[in-house]
Amino acid sequence: GAVVSQHPSRVICKSGTSVKIECRSLDFQATTMFWYRQFPKKSLMLMATSNEGSKATYEQGVEKDKFLINHASLTLSTLTVTSAHPEDSSFYICSARHRDSPSNSPLHFGNGTRLTVT
Amino acid sequence: AQSVAQPEDQVNVAEGNPLTVKCTYSVSGNPYLFWYVQYPNRGLQFLLKYITGDNLVKGSYGFEAEFNKSQTSFHLKKPSALVSDSALYFCAVRDDNAGGTSYGKLTFGQGTILTVHP
Repeated sequence: GAVVSQHPSRVICKSGTSVKIECRSLDFQATTMFWYRQFPKKSLMLMATSNEGSKATYEQGVEKDKFLINHASLTLSTLTVTSAHPEDSSFYICSARHRDSPSNSPLHFGNGTRLTVT
Repeated sequence: AQSVAQPEDQVNVAEGNPLTVKCTYSVSGNPYLFWYVQYPNRGLQFLLKYITGDNLVKGSYGFEAEFNKSQTSFHLKKPSALVSDSALYFCAVRDDNAGGTSYGKLTFGQGTILTVHP
């Protein structure tokens, strides 16, 4: 159980276009989803916290108008990279918390999306 | 504020030898500590966690970790390494005092690449 599906796994887009990444909790309801960006040489940076039915909370330095997050249901959150530029190329990973899990429960992660902007 | 440090970018061990991947943390309250493993182009897989109780925590794939409050450390260990253990390992912490928009938020270390040589 506790499977998080992330789609697409890889995407290549042209500079200036927008790309949508989906994160779904397949067998549980997730009130909170987290979006991370992983840079080369591995460090994982939290971009934003997505709460179902409310606006996402962005970390300092993350442009909310560039990285649009929508959490319209308890099983789906989306990250849209708007007007993508080559510097947005990265590995994006989502994670989800079960709605009934205590704060000491581990997060469940998607398999990530490799975005390449040409 | 919460933070995690993994002082080693890379750890190399021979197959069959014990391995240790180091992690230290800083939180204002009591820590919830986690270890995750990441294989290339994949999301993070949960290995083990410390919440309370015994300082030695056993997890998946024969891994264990020792919580040391006085040294604020949570080192990952395995008595006998396998080539298949080669991967990127992340230590993460959550502060049990964190509330509001920080509730449930994990802070990750920078990651340690473990390479096990045959």
